[in-house]
Amino acid sequence: GESVGLHLPTLSVQEGDNSIINCAYSNSASDYFIWYKQESGKGPQFIIDIRSNMDKRQGQRVTVLLNKTVKHLSLQIAATQPGDSAVYFCAEKGPGGGNKLTFGTGTQLKVEL
Amino acid sequence: ETGVTQTPRHLVMGMTNKKSLKCEQHLGHNAMYWYKQSAKKPLELMFVYSLEERVENNSVPSRFSPECPNSSHLFLHLHTLQPEDSALYLCASSLNRQGSNGYTFGSGTRLTVV
Repeated sequence: GESVGLHLPTLSVQEGDNSIINCAYSNSASDYFIWYKQESGKGPQFIIDIRSNMDKRQGQRVTVLLNKTVKHLSLQIAATQPGDSAVYFCAEKGPGGGNKLTFGTGTQLKVEL
Repeated sequence: ETGVTQTPRHLVMGMTNKKSLKCEQHLGHNAMYWYKQSAKKPLELMFVYSLEERVENNSVPSRFSPECPNSSHLFLHLHTLQPEDSALYLCASSLNRQGSNGYTFGSGTRLTVV
């Protein structure tokens, strides 16, 4: 069946370092991927998305990489700041008119001062 | 604020109570969703509404009853819940049913069933 999972449940980084959060997906037909950030006491917040016709997309301090060959998605955060501490989810959506997003369990990012 | 507002933020209810969760968005979105978030589990899709019509019900027990009176409001009516229903209930909206630009989530209602 479809599954979206994250390699590591917790990632600790030093402030100022770059963070890389990974995600594996199993549905090779998925054509849209999103990264969400969820801070304590808040709902998931959209960070960046990428469609399957791309392999890289950049935002402000964030980059998403998509490797369709190995069905792998990663989120890179440059110069990680304390405010980046949160749980990060990847989500995938299959093709067609359906709107169902499948979410992973999340990775807890902890930024150490 | 994300533009999706959920009330109440916290709710404690007994197993025999009846309560309702409310979600409101004024983003001009046409699709709205209820998700359940339990500890160490992926987000679980419960219901999907598109243009006020329920288009998906993911085998959710009948003690959860959604209502979408218009495209800006979504309710989740709760009755005779079980302790295992304690979770964070998230509402989300998207521009259309295809969710092409992702979902906008509210901050959720933290529900505790005692």
